[in-house]
Amino acid sequence: DTGVSQDPRHKITKRGQNVTFRCDPISEHNRLYWYRQTLGQGPEFLTYFQNEAQLEKSRLLSDRFSAERPKGSFSTLEIQRTEQGDSAMYLCASSAWTSQPGRYEQYFGPGTRLTVT
Amino acid sequence: AQKITQTQPGMFVQEKEAVTLDCTYDTSDPSYGLFWYKQPSSGEMIFLIYQGSYDQQNATEGRYSLNFQKARKSANLVISASQLGDSAMYFCAMSSYGNNRLAFGKGNQVVVIP
Repeated sequence: DTGVSQDPRHKITKRGQNVTFRCDPISEHNRLYWYRQTLGQGPEFLTYFQNEAQLEKSRLLSDRFSAERPKGSFSTLEIQRTEQGDSAMYLCASSAWTSQPGRYEQYFGPGTRLTVT
Repeated sequence: AQKITQTQPGMFVQEKEAVTLDCTYDTSDPSYGLFWYKQPSSGEMIFLIYQGSYDQQNATEGRYSLNFQKARKSANLVISASQLGDSAMYFCAMSSYGNNRLAFGKGNQVVVIP
């Protein structure tokens, strides 16, 4: 297992277009998270799944954003009608319970950098 | 709501010296975890160290140690014997034990010079 992977690594799109990103978590991890990171800021939480269920969505996740995790494996994040303010790095993380010590430790993928022109 | 504050400006550190990165936090949750991540220019977030709110001892992981002062709500990261490969952004983060989503600070830029 090579860790969390994300595709594509870079995406340039024109304003108004739709884009979709994919995240493949570490295979035995049941939790999957999406974060957004803008320049000079730390990542901000967007949403997370436990298996195929989307358990929490941030207020940052407007109606133009939708995330899915069919069958509890890979996840997709779609942005409809992109705006210039959507330009950011989109990070995916996955986690599973570790008993020593007891916590969910999140492992991040390399991110997808979106540029909206 | 959880809030992480990292206010130090960018730092230059001499190779082989130690560096301390400040982090203060605010939360109303009685149980929480504190994390430090490293983000090199490649962009990937790399987990460094974890401290649970009920842990009695400060966490250590190799050259990384966390100076946890619960009453002051601070969780400073100490990197000993800095190496050139330590040049990166460092983020402090926290989560509650319920939802486990991470709240990050704005980060500290560290540049290690030979």
